[in-house]
Order: sequence, then C-alpha cells, then structure tokens
Amino acid sequence: EAGVTQFPSHSVIEKGQTVTLRCDPISGHDNLYWYRRVMGKEIKFLLHFVKESKQDESGMPNNRFLAERTGGTYSTLKVQPAELEDSGVYFCASSQDYRGRLGYTFGSGTRLTVV
Amino acid sequence: AQSVAQPEDQVNVAEGNPLTVKCTYSVSGNPYLFWYVQYPNRGLQFLLKYITGDNLVKGSYGFEAEFNKSQTSFHLKKPSALVSDSALYFCAVRDPTSGTYKYIFGTGTRLKVLA
Repeated sequence: EAGVTQFPSHSVIEKGQTVTLRCDPISGHDNLYWYRRVMGKEIKFLLHFVKESKQDESGMPNNRFLAERTGGTYSTLKVQPAELEDSGVYFCASSQDYRGRLGYTFGSGTRLTVV
Repeated sequence: AQSVAQPEDQVNVAEGNPLTVKCTYSVSGNPYLFWYVQYPNRGLQFLLKYITGDNLVKGSYGFEAEFNKSQTSFHLKKPSALVSDSALYFCAVRDPTSGTYKYIFGTGTRLKVLA
C-alpha cells in the first residue's frame, strides 16, 4: 500500500508569507495527525482529525495555523503569516486505530524554513 | 502531566557491540509505549510497541525493549549493533486514560554505530 505522502518536502519562505503543507494519508485511515519538531527538540503534537472532524487541536500554537481535512481524505496545514519560530519539520501521520494502540504511519515530513 | 525523557542526545557504540537507548516516562495511567526511528531524509518508522502483556517486546531490525513499570522506563536494546542502525531514535508514550489520542515524544537520541 502507498504510505503517507507529504509535500513539499522542503519549503523556504520569508517571514510574513503564507505556506500550505499537504498530507495524503494511507487510504482508509480515518485518523490523521499533525506533529512538529523544532530543531533539536521533541516532536510535538499539533492536532488530530477523525475523518473530516477535528478531534483534538490542543497543540496548535496560535491562530496563524489553520488545518483542514475536507472530505476526510487529504489534509492541509496553512501557516499565515509565517514567523521565524515556525521553522521546523512538520510530520503527518495516519492510523486506522483512533485509540492509538497500533502506532502511526508517518510521512517523510516537510522541512519549513522561515527567513 | 505526561512526559518522556531521553537523557542522551547521542549514543556511540562500536559495530558488533550491544546498544541501549534510554527512555523514561511519566503518565498517570498504564502507558502505551513506542519506539520510532528516523533515517536521514526519511519519515519516522515504527520499531516496536508495548501495550500490555510481556514486558519484553521485540520489534523490527532485531531491536527489543523492556517495559519496567517500577522504574518507569522503556529502554531500547539490540544485542549486536550494525553501522546501518545509525539514525535518530524517538521514544513516545500515550496515556490511554488521558482522554486524548496524541502521543508524547521525547527529544530523540542520535545513535552512531562506528565500524
């Protein structure tokens, strides 16, 4: 089966610009997660979709971040306007199991650099 | 509050020697515990998990981990390291009583296996 696909793999933007990251989960996986790793630190949870609904968005840093999952398939994460501290690697993951017992399948990540 | 600690930023080991990557956690309930590995320019790959049952769990690529409830640890081990094991390793925990389905990750440990 195809894995979790993220694009772009890298993005370099200027402070104040807008960037949209995309994640295509494994087909049939209702659960989709976004995480972020800032340089050298832990991987932090951003939010969790079950189909098209936001199950938990407690990790979203502020209202400059907007995640959507229209139709319950792919998801986008928009950062507008981007700030320097938004730089990091953004990971998407999907799972069949909403209880988190099976583990996730992660994408390769999008490395975002804000200059 | 849930937390995960990986006390070593980097572990160096000679090829053929046993390796240990340490992880301790703090959760209020009985944890779900995971290890993931990230190879260069790749996404996070699932290695193994502990949900319940036998404290020693075996995973991919010859890795194993031991759940120790009294020490709240879940150290990753391999009897004989390979150069190809060199990568970034993340420990993660989920508290199934927390009411959320997110994982808490550690900061990662870079494993370097020397030929």
